[in-house]
Amino acid sequence: GESVGLHLPTLSVQEGDNSIINCAYSNSASDYFIWYKQESGKGPQFIIDIRSNMDKRQGQRVTVLLNKTVKHLSLQIAATQPGDSAVYFCAENAGGTSYGKLTFGQGTILTVHP
Amino acid sequence: GAVVSQHPSRVICKSGTSVKIECRSLDFQATTMFWYRQFPKQSLMLMATSNEGSKATYEQGVEKDKFLINHASLTLSTLTVTSAHPEDSSFYICSASASYTETQYFGPGTRLLVL
Repeated sequence: GESVGLHLPTLSVQEGDNSIINCAYSNSASDYFIWYKQESGKGPQFIIDIRSNMDKRQGQRVTVLLNKTVKHLSLQIAATQPGDSAVYFCAENAGGTSYGKLTFGQGTILTVHP
Repeated sequence: GAVVSQHPSRVICKSGTSVKIECRSLDFQATTMFWYRQFPKQSLMLMATSNEGSKATYEQGVEKDKFLINHASLTLSTLTVTSAHPEDSSFYICSASASYTETQYFGPGTRLLVL
């Protein structure tokens, strides 16, 4: 379903630490999930995606975990850098007749301190 | 690859005027384009889905006569905010998706301020 965040969750970490950003999704029919990074005043930037037939996928410094049982998605960023500071959104796609249509989560503000 | 542009990046207009925002896929053909609106500190809300050569599908609560969408080619979609009012001030973002993938690539957004 839709979600609107009036007060975005925040996560503050020190440079070099690992970050974990969580997302709960609502539609059990969703079969495709994406994480986006959005810097201030810019459009969302694709980070990594995962399909429902997988529970883990790794990219460069990032890992996405999917737990369909509890409808939970997480993004792990290794060795977080100041340039990772941004708002992170998860998005879900139910597929089927809503092919391509994404529903965004509320977002999490990540702040990385040098 | 997969670059999406928007024009203009910022626009200020008077209340009652109309504003057109362009969304272009620069290096791929986009069968489907999406238009989102984002208010400060909030998430992206889908306004409409646009398929090349057909009428846009609007989300519930989005006025189709106020937000006119045209997707006349595989690389260009336009959003026209008609008779804009201050409450239409927002960040408008488009995304484009090729037919062979579900991945949406987003444009840089257009900041609209209606005075």
